[in-house]
Amino acid sequence: EIVMTQSPATLSVSPGKRATLSCRASQSVSSNLAWYQQKPGQAPRLLIYDASTGATGFPARFSGSGSGTEFTLTISSLQSEDFAIYYCQQYNTWPLTFGQGTRLEIK
Amino acid sequence: QVQLVQSGAEVKKPGSSVKVSCKASGGTFSNYAISWVRQAPGQGLEWMGGIIPIFGTANYTQKFQGRVTITADKSTSTAYMDLSSLRYEDTAVYYCARDHPPVVGGSPSAAGGWFDPWGQGTLVTVSS
Repeated sequence: EIVMTQSPATLSVSPGKRATLSCRASQSVSSNLAWYQQKPGQAPRLLIYDASTGATGFPARFSGSGSGTEFTLTISSLQSEDFAIYYCQQYNTWPLTFGQGTRLEIK
Repeated sequence: QVQLVQSGAEVKKPGSSVKVSCKASGGTFSNYAISWVRQAPGQGLEWMGGIIPIFGTANYTQKFQGRVTITADKSTSTAYMDLSSLRYEDTAVYYCARDHPPVVGGSPSAAGGWFDPWGQGTLVTVSS
């Protein structure tokens, strides 16, 4: 199975600053990668699919990039509502697998 | 805009079974797969498998093969996940989610894409 590794585990960033989250796959997943946002007590929400396509309902400050084994989620100017846990997920190869998550917290 | 509404929390004894439902409303049901993902307390997300209602066949990860059964009732736009031989470590929130992309011309033939939207989650607690 493909192992997805996210870094860092916790990221502390001040509001208004830029956040960069990383996701690495143990083998190529092409561009078959999604990002989700999860807040406490809530279900995950789709943020990005196909590595860089934004999902409905999220502002343009969220962007995804990468292909193959290296991916990045960038939040250009953090707002208070962006502090949450972010997961990456590959859907290139069965079984589908998720990263362990990056907790984005207020600095 | 489709919404997925799941059944309520369950408390089960070790060795028993649990069946969680996921009802879709407000959108097309049959030509999108429904996947099930679980999240143990304080842990990450784990995909269990899914079903494409128009085909009726489910696929499961190896970890859950033999213990999980995923079904769908097209007439009520409801998917079900049945997990048997419950263990303490099955305590988790179980989510259903609509799988993308939709089935067009017979493809994809199995669940396994990106997930949107998700149900609200169902907490299953295994306790003696």
